[in-house]
Amino acid sequence: KNQVEQSPQSLIILEGKNCTLQCNYTVSPFSNLRWYKQDTGRGPVSLTIMTFSENTKSNGRYTATLDADTKQSSLHITASQLSDSASYICVVGVGSQGNLIFGKGTKLSVKP
Amino acid sequence: DGGITQSPKYLFRKEGQNVTLSCEQNLNHDAMYWYRQDPGQGLRLIYYSQIVNDFQKGDIAEGYSVSREKKESFPLTVTSAQKNPTAFYLCASSLWGRGAGQPQHFGDGTRLSIL
Repeated sequence: KNQVEQSPQSLIILEGKNCTLQCNYTVSPFSNLRWYKQDTGRGPVSLTIMTFSENTKSNGRYTATLDADTKQSSLHITASQLSDSASYICVVGVGSQGNLIFGKGTKLSVKP
Repeated sequence: DGGITQSPKYLFRKEGQNVTLSCEQNLNHDAMYWYRQDPGQGLRLIYYSQIVNDFQKGDIAEGYSVSREKKESFPLTVTSAQKNPTAFYLCASSLWGRGAGQPQHFGDGTRLSIL
């Protein structure tokens, strides 16, 4: 069964600190892996998309990594800001048809 | 600014009533999608349309219907057959079909509740 598991479920950090969110997947055949940021009551916004051959992709203070061998991805947030408080969703694309498997998200709270 | 507009932001449904959620995009995207988001769960696909006048059922299509008469518009009807409609509904679009690996752009959702 295709699944995407994210950890931790929630996380609280102080402003200015770094953090790393994890995503493990059991999806076959793998097509791509995406990270989205979703503010409360808003729609998700795309942060990165990585294909099988990409190990790292950055978007400002957000850096995503992908290890296709271990089927793991991480999202690293550097020098966190209050505006980083949101849910971060890992999404894996399946095969050529493009079905997407969504994780349940990690809820990040950045405190002053 | 280009984007996706969903309306209304909040919607209440009475027993036995059909309600329609609006989704309009001005991104000139071919593909459009409807998702349902429940607390503690990942997004689930309701319907997907790759081109005008064509759409396909997603994982949880029962109790829902859609139309795609114009490229810009993809309304979702929640019928009385959907017994648990309370959820956050998200519309999305992508430049090409979902198999092309393009990012999906989301609207800001409609929150549907039962009266």
